[in-house]
Order: sequence, then C-alpha cells, then structure tokens
Amino acid sequence: DAGVIQSPRHEVTEMGQEVTLRCKPISGHDYLFWYRQTMMRGLELLIYFNNNVPIDDSGMPEDRFSAKMPNASFSTLKIQPSEPRDSAVYFCATSGQGGRGYTFGSGTRLTVV
Amino acid sequence: GQQLNQSPQSMFIQEGEDVSMNCTSSSIFNTWLWYKQEPGEGPVLLIALYKAGELTSNGRLTAQFGITRKDSFLNISASIPSDVGIYFCAGQANSGYALNFGKGTSLLVTP
Repeated sequence: DAGVIQSPRHEVTEMGQEVTLRCKPISGHDYLFWYRQTMMRGLELLIYFNNNVPIDDSGMPEDRFSAKMPNASFSTLKIQPSEPRDSAVYFCATSGQGGRGYTFGSGTRLTVV
Repeated sequence: GQQLNQSPQSMFIQEGEDVSMNCTSSSIFNTWLWYKQEPGEGPVLLIALYKAGELTSNGRLTAQFGITRKDSFLNISASIPSDVGIYFCAGQANSGYALNFGKGTSLLVTP
C-alpha cells in the first residue's frame, strides 16, 4: 500500500497565482480530509468528504479556497488567488474505518511570496 | 471544532526518562487518538482509544481514555532519542466526524 500520496511536496508561488494541491487517497478509504498546519494555529480542518461528497467545508477560510473530489481516487485543493498568509503545510488524510484513525499524507509545504 | 488543550507545550528530557503528556476538552469525545509527527512528514497514528476508561499500550507507549470522556493522557517509558517529535492528541465526537487536534507537545530527548 503506497499510503496517501500528495503532490507537490513543495510549492513556492507568487502572490496572486493559482495553486492546486493534489491528493490520492488509500484505495478503499471513503473519507478524505484536508488540513492546514501552521505554527500559530496548529492543525486546522478545512474540508472533508465522504464517498466523494463534501460533508463539512466550514473550515475553508474564504472563497479563494475550493476543494473537489471528482472520484474516489483523487482530490484537489485550490487557492485562487493565493496570498502570503496562505503559506502553510497542507495535509490530506483518509480513513476507511467509519472515519476513525486517519492516515496522513506527507503534506505539501506551500510558500506564497 | 472543539478546542483541545494539550500540555505541556514542550518537553526537554534525558534518554531513559519517562514522559507524560495530556489533553483535555470542554466537550465529550467518543474516540481519542494520539499521533506523532516527525519533521517533514505527516502525523502517524500511535494509539487509538474507543472506550471511556480504556488503557492501551503500544510498546513503550501507554494511553488512557479518561472516564469523563473529556481527557486523555499519553505516557512514554524509558525514552530514547528516536522518540523526538511532536505528539498530538485528537478527539472525535462520533464515527464519521472530523478529528479535532490539540496544539501538540514537542519532545526533545538528549542522549
């Protein structure tokens, strides 16, 4: 099992540019979560999906953020336009045990300059 | 999400010492989990607790689910340098709900 695969591992972009983060869940896992980690705020839930349907997006900071899960094998988190305060590590996590015991990806470190 | 208070924020100990950290919540959780995160990686699940009062071990790690369902602790016995990392508690209200994470305990172990 390859685990949860995130890409890219690192992204440096200029303010105003569009950023797309990608996640491939573990096969068979029906829950997918997007978290953001910063020193100040720790791990914050942005949005999660169950069977490809968004369940709770109340953590999405603002309209600049959007997430999709077009099928069970793929999810994206998009920021448009990006701002320096979006700089953080973004994690995707998935679970197949009724949402218990997540497995995290290695994260995408985003730097917006 | 619910706020989890994790303490201590950081610990700096010598190899061989025991470590204890805890997590409290103002809300009840039905699942408590403990994760460890190393630099450049995502958190990795260490121990999962599903019942109030449950005490579970994983090698040198022991965790307990508080009887009130509002707290949990993690102990590490006889620490070694590879225990270095950030330890997070997480609570889940019900199956299918998202996890709420504490701010983490940063552990440093000197040989």
